[in-house]
Order: sequence, then C-alpha cells, then structure tokens
Amino acid sequence: DAKTTQPNSMESNEEEPVHLPCNHSTISGTDYIHWYRQLPSQGPEYVIHGLTSNVNNRMASLAIAEDRKSSTLILHRATLRDAAVYYCILRTDKLIFGTGTRLQVFP
Amino acid sequence: NAGVTQTPKFRILKIGQSMTLQCTQDMNHNYMYWYRQDPGMGLKLIYYSVGAGITDKGEVPNGYNVSRSTTEDFPLRLELAAPSQTSVYFCASSYFAGASGELFFGEGSRLTVL
Repeated sequence: DAKTTQPNSMESNEEEPVHLPCNHSTISGTDYIHWYRQLPSQGPEYVIHGLTSNVNNRMASLAIAEDRKSSTLILHRATLRDAAVYYCILRTDKLIFGTGTRLQVFP
Repeated sequence: NAGVTQTPKFRILKIGQSMTLQCTQDMNHNYMYWYRQDPGMGLKLIYYSVGAGITDKGEVPNGYNVSRSTTEDFPLRLELAAPSQTSVYFCASSYFAGASGELFFGEGSRLTVL
C-alpha cells in the first residue's frame, strides 16, 4: 500500500495562509490524492482531491508537484474552526489513513 | 437524505460479550469501510467492502467480522470483546474509488469494554 508522510503538527495564526505538506513518493499513476480533516470529537470530513492538476474549492486549494511525489493543502485564511487533524491519503480501494497533521490556529 | 448512519452511538460491554455495530447508508454507495480510532491516534482500517457480497481485511481485522448482504448495510461484529477493543468506530461509504470517491463518514460509535 502506498504511504504518505506528513508533519505531526503545525501552527498558524488566524487569517494567515497555511500550507500543509504531504510526501507520497511511492504513488502510482492512478492514485488520486485526497485530503480529509477531523475536527475534535467528530468523524473525518472530505476537504479536496486531485490527480495531477492543482485544484481549488470553497474550502481549500491542492497543489500537486509535477512528479506527483508530494502535494500541499493550502488554507488561504486560517480560522479558529480550521483547527483539526488533516489527513493526506492516496485513494485506492483499501483506504489507509496515516497519522495526519494536527493544525493549531491561534487568535 | 440521512447519509451514513451508525448505531449505537455509545455502548459499554463486559469482557467476553459480543455485539454488532450497525452501519447503513442511503446513497447507493458501492464502497463501505469500518475504521477504529483509539484515543489520540489516527484511524485504522478494520474491514472494507467494494460491493454487496464482497468483503476484505484491512489493517486490524483480528477480533472482528463483517458481512455485506445488501448495498445499504455493512454491520461489524465483535466476538469475545476485549479491553483492547475500546475505541471509537467509524463507518464510511463512497460511490467508487476514483475521481468521485469522496468518503462520507458516520458520526461514530464509542465502545468501552470493561
């Protein structure tokens, strides 16, 4: 199973941009890169996904390296509600979560 | 549209008891998953199913069983409960693995084994 590597934790101030990195050096050509986040005491929720091109939605942007061995989730203006654990996952049938990055947002 | 529904939300079991966690989705999703999450840890895949009648093991299947007789339901059976199975269990579903394979999660079932 292809694995992802993320920093254990990151910090940000409110209203600043946040760049959450993810390494996936063993990614295969058909693996989609998905991001989920888990707010305290809740189940994970979908954030964004992509294959090769950069993607934007109302929650975030996803920047994918040209060789697809890494990606970055971008929160353009962090809010206190964005404090969560963010998981980068390679989307296959057998969906394995890594340890994720715990994002702290300070007022 | 209820999405993914898990029952019960909370349960306390004694060591050696058995129980079934229920998971139902009303989105006609092919793929369904069971995860467990221990306190302060990430999600671990227990079992998954790519369609009715098909199930496969995940990372931590020991002590659990599943069945998928219908598209909607994916129950998780715990046999001979042990304290190590104290955890929060999440069920998830998606239409298919691919571009539109967004996972939808239930609210979780908190199980304590004493």
